[in-house]
Amino acid sequence: KAGVTQTPRYLIKTRGQQVTLSCSPISGHRSVSWYQQTPGQGLQFLFEYFSETQRNKGNFPGRFSGRQFSNSRSEMNVSTLELGDSALYLCASSGVGANTEAFFGQGTRLTVV
Amino acid sequence: AQSVTQLDSQVPVFEEAPVELRCNYSSSVSVYLFWYVQYPNQGLQLLLKYLSGSTLVESINGFEAEFNKSQTSFHLRKPSVHISDTAEYFCAVSVGSGGYNKLIFGAGTRLAVHP
Repeated sequence: KAGVTQTPRYLIKTRGQQVTLSCSPISGHRSVSWYQQTPGQGLQFLFEYFSETQRNKGNFPGRFSGRQFSNSRSEMNVSTLELGDSALYLCASSGVGANTEAFFGQGTRLTVV
Repeated sequence: AQSVTQLDSQVPVFEEAPVELRCNYSSSVSVYLFWYVQYPNQGLQLLLKYLSGSTLVESINGFEAEFNKSQTSFHLRKPSVHISDTAEYFCAVSVGSGGYNKLIFGAGTRLAVHP
């Protein structure tokens, strides 16, 4: 059974640009969540999608957005990049319910210069 | 609001010594607790989880954690560590109802095992 796949693994962007990250969940999982990991703030929840609907959103500005497709693959987009957006972005897929475990991808390392 | 506190940011230990990584969480009606491990430049791997039932849960590589409701703790222990256990460990609580999947993480504990 394939794991969670995130592409690309590494990305370098310039301030003001936008970026799109992709996540393919484990087959059969319909929930995809995104997290931002930085040395200063740790792991922070961005948002969660289930059946193409955003069900939960963290405390991030509107520059951070996402979507989910009918095959459960998800993308997140960050517009007007800032230096502080440099981080490891992790995607997790899981089944239904708060008592199910989340399986994480390897992450996308975004560097904004 | 839910929160998770990992009491130690770094834990140095010698190989074959026991270790305990401490985790406390804010109380909630339904609590689902997890420990994840992260190796350098990698994503998070689930180490073990408490969903219900026995308060002592074990992983396949010798770690165990005990859910203590009265102390709102979920400490991670291993009786004898190896060099390969060097990594960052995150405690997390799952929140939400109606099928929402959202993890609240602690700040992490960096375990450094020395020969």
